[in-house]
Amino acid sequence: AQSVTQLGSHVSVSEGALVLLRCNYSSSVPPYLFWYVQYPNQGLQLLLKYTSAATLVKGINGFEAEFKKSETSFHLTKPSAHMSDAAEYFCAVSDYTGGFKTIFGAGTRLFVKA
Amino acid sequence: DAMVIQNPRYQVTQFGKPVTLSCSQTLNHNVMYWYQQKSSQAPKLLFHYYDKDFNNEADTPDNFQSRRPNTSFCFLDIRSPGLGDAAMYLCATSRDGTMGAFFGQGTRLTVV
Repeated sequence: AQSVTQLGSHVSVSEGALVLLRCNYSSSVPPYLFWYVQYPNQGLQLLLKYTSAATLVKGINGFEAEFKKSETSFHLTKPSAHMSDAAEYFCAVSDYTGGFKTIFGAGTRLFVKA
Repeated sequence: DAMVIQNPRYQVTQFGKPVTLSCSQTLNHNVMYWYQQKSSQAPKLLFHYYDKDFNNEADTPDNFQSRRPNTSFCFLDIRSPGLGDAAMYLCATSRDGTMGAFFGQGTRLTVV
């Protein structure tokens, strides 16, 4: 069964600093990988997705993620944090086993300090 | 324009009184998901439909049921809500599960 592990339940950065949110996955078949953002009392919004094309994926709001099969990782980065990036971020995995259900990691809350 | 619409946004129900949450989509997606999300936790998949094929997670309580009468609509029925069922319920759709999911705004359920 597929799963994702997010390292660090809370990450704090200063405004303008690099954002790095870590995600490792487990899947017995080639996975589809996603990052989502959630603001308080809202649904989730898709930031970016890896679907077996380019390993470096660019998403919305300046975020990008790199798929590294050898490390089973899909870390999310942004060169310069903005106050509006403060939110909960979820890594998720989907594959064809189990009918393409999407499973989420535990989430990482990003704090951005002025 | 909203593409995945959940009604109502907030629902208060009495302990043990059946409640139904609804979800509609304008995307014509094949897959529809229901997730339960408790405070500061990840969304937990309850079940999903791939077209009419229903997939129930092994640890989803029998108290939770779902219906998908057509492509556009999906319902979550909680037969006898308990205090532990208070949560945000998220509906999501995906074309085929490979391109990511579109989420509704969620329904926050309170059980009194």
